[in-house]
Amino acid sequence: DQQVKQNSPSLSVQEGRISILNCDYTNSMFDYFLWYKKYPAEGPTFLISISSIKDKNEDGRFTVFLNKSAKHLSLHIVPSQPGDSAVYFCAASGYNNNDMRFGAGTRLTVKP
Amino acid sequence: DTGVSQDPRHKITKRGQNVTFRCDPISEHNRLYWYRQTLGQGPEFLTYFQNEAQLEKSRLLSDRFSAERPKGSFSTLEIQRTEQGDSAMYLCASRPTTGELFFGEGSRLTVL
Repeated sequence: DQQVKQNSPSLSVQEGRISILNCDYTNSMFDYFLWYKKYPAEGPTFLISISSIKDKNEDGRFTVFLNKSAKHLSLHIVPSQPGDSAVYFCAASGYNNNDMRFGAGTRLTVKP
Repeated sequence: DTGVSQDPRHKITKRGQNVTFRCDPISEHNRLYWYRQTLGQGPEFLTYFQNEAQLEKSRLLSDRFSAERPKGSFSTLEIQRTEQGDSAMYLCASRPTTGELFFGEGSRLTVL
């Protein structure tokens, strides 16, 4: 069951522009959301998270927005850099829940 | 290096053989997770330990799969009678009681 969905398998942006990655979820019990970044031959690395009590969390060039009514979150990267090229996974869980569900990922390519 | 470590990084085996993967989590993390990732998909939850207790198993974890965490530290994931469909990246992650998962670099299994 796909409880977390990333409908765009790939995204290409120009260096310096904004990258927007989207994620939808179906389980209303989720209250903790995360973005992970993955380079080839490496495990996913944590990027940024947001709890359901917030609608925005910012960390440097990365901002995550949460729209609970729409069950939608997005990751904004601005300005995008070539080193940001990677696969980005959206993940969700209850804050104390046992498992964390992941989307299928979006491959971001930032062109110089 | 105090991150999550996995061994071996890559295992090639023939169909029908048994394989075992090891995961050493971050030492102060009491929760340990196993995920499987196939091409084009996000990590899929397999099982989870809190200390030495295996508290949840996914239906993806067939009878041929067994995981242990005997002393609440390292964990092993064994696959018996491997099938070609078992070919995947097996990811281990750990975390404290709450918060983000910290992933290892994964163990890639190729079943010929």
